[in-house]
Amino acid sequence: DTGVSQDPRHKITKRGQNVTFRCDPISEHNRLYWYRQTLGQGPEFLTYFQNEAQLEKSRLLSDRFSAERPKGSFSTLEIQRTEQGDSAMYLCASSPGTGGSNEQFFGPGTRLTVL
Amino acid sequence: AQSVTQPDIHITVSEGASLELRCNYSYGATPYLFWYVQSPGQGLQLLLKYFSGDTLVQGIKGFEAEFKRSQSSFNLRKPSVHWSDAAEYFCAVGEGTGGFKTIFGAGTRLFVKA
Repeated sequence: DTGVSQDPRHKITKRGQNVTFRCDPISEHNRLYWYRQTLGQGPEFLTYFQNEAQLEKSRLLSDRFSAERPKGSFSTLEIQRTEQGDSAMYLCASSPGTGGSNEQFFGPGTRLTVL
Repeated sequence: AQSVTQPDIHITVSEGASLELRCNYSYGATPYLFWYVQSPGQGLQLLLKYFSGDTLVQGIKGFEAEFKRSQSSFNLRKPSVHWSDAAEYFCAVGEGTGGFKTIFGAGTRLFVKA
């Protein structure tokens, strides 16, 4: 399977704990995105990487959230001191980043439940 | 700020009937427009996209969409719906160079009845 993969698929944690999610994009894609999706809503843009550079962060991404893509391949999204409002599906996507288009390929998501 | 509106939270159509899902966007320049589908337990899949050129675009699974600049719309259509089309459909607009930052609508859930 050469699609976008995310790990873990499900995470249950207690309020106040830290969690980290991993995303492996399609290998030749140099753009990587993180989104958050809550029930009944469309995905909300969180942040975007071009290779290892984080080029934009949404205002939704509070100081408790940090994302990295150290070698321009896989990425991690860490949430510190989780709150119940962080419960959501966290989606990762990647795109080639060349040409005029930006077709994003999405992973299956990591569902976070904060108790 | 850019935004996407999908006026219908859910739609029910009979199998074999035609389908139109509405999408309106707010964007100052020529937008990059997308329709994605999300089935239960599945990731988002791109159905079709518009960047320029012919305003009627064809996608996968028999879907098409028409870009109407005057109406700021990008409605999704299918002439004959199959039961397997039941899913959540998201319209999205891309902003930034190459449309890298994608703004999604709230989605329309499609129910298909036999």
